Amino acid sequence: DAGVIQSPRHEVTEMGQEVTLRCKPISGHNSLFWYRQTMMRGLELLIYFNNNVPIDDSGMPEDRFSAKMPNASFSTLKIQPSEPRDSAVYFCASSSRAGAQIRDTQYFGPGTRLTVL
Amino acid sequence: QKEVEQNSGPLSVPEGAIASLNCTYSDRGSQSFFWYRQYSGKSPELIMFIYSNGDKEDGRFTAQLNKASQYVSLLIRDSQPSDSATYLCAAITGGGNKLTFGTGTQLKVEL
Repeated sequence: DAGVIQSPRHEVTEMGQEVTLRCKPISGHNSLFWYRQTMMRGLELLIYFNNNVPIDDSGMPEDRFSAKMPNASFSTLKIQPSEPRDSAVYFCASSSRAGAQIRDTQYFGPGTRLTVL
Repeated sequence: QKEVEQNSGPLSVPEGAIASLNCTYSDRGSQSFFWYRQYSGKSPELIMFIYSNGDKEDGRFTAQLNKASQYVSLLIRDSQPSDSATYLCAAITGGGNKLTFGTGTQLKVEL
């Protein structure tokens, strides 16, 4: 059974460039979460979707960040323009609120390590 | 006050001992609690979840929940060096399915 898939695994870019991170949730999961993890701030929720609809984006740091979920099997997190302080590991996670799966348990992807020079 | 609080550690225990990891939460409406383990450079992985007051055991792991005291703990019996990792406590907060994480406790199991 495939887990959460994220791409790319590593991204190095220069300040000012656009960065797009991608996520494919576990099939059948209807909630998707984007997190950012740094040594200083730990794991922070940026935004989450239920049934492809953004529910809470209060964690998105500023307008440079945007996220979309055009269908149940794909989401993107975009940073434009990128800044050095955006350097972090970005995780995508998915969960299910119904069925036989453990309710609300989030399963994490491997993460994307972003470095902005 | 942070919604979910943990001591950052490091917590050092000798091999074979019991490691006790603690967590407090501020949202009295929280009903679901999770413990994740994160090895350095890896993603968080679920160890246990607990919804009801009391103890829940799974192998060497026991989760404890006390809703009156707003306290969650994780006990690891017969600690092994492979248990050395950061342990993240998380709670469903805000009435939806938003998971709020603590900053994690680093556990070191020494030979």
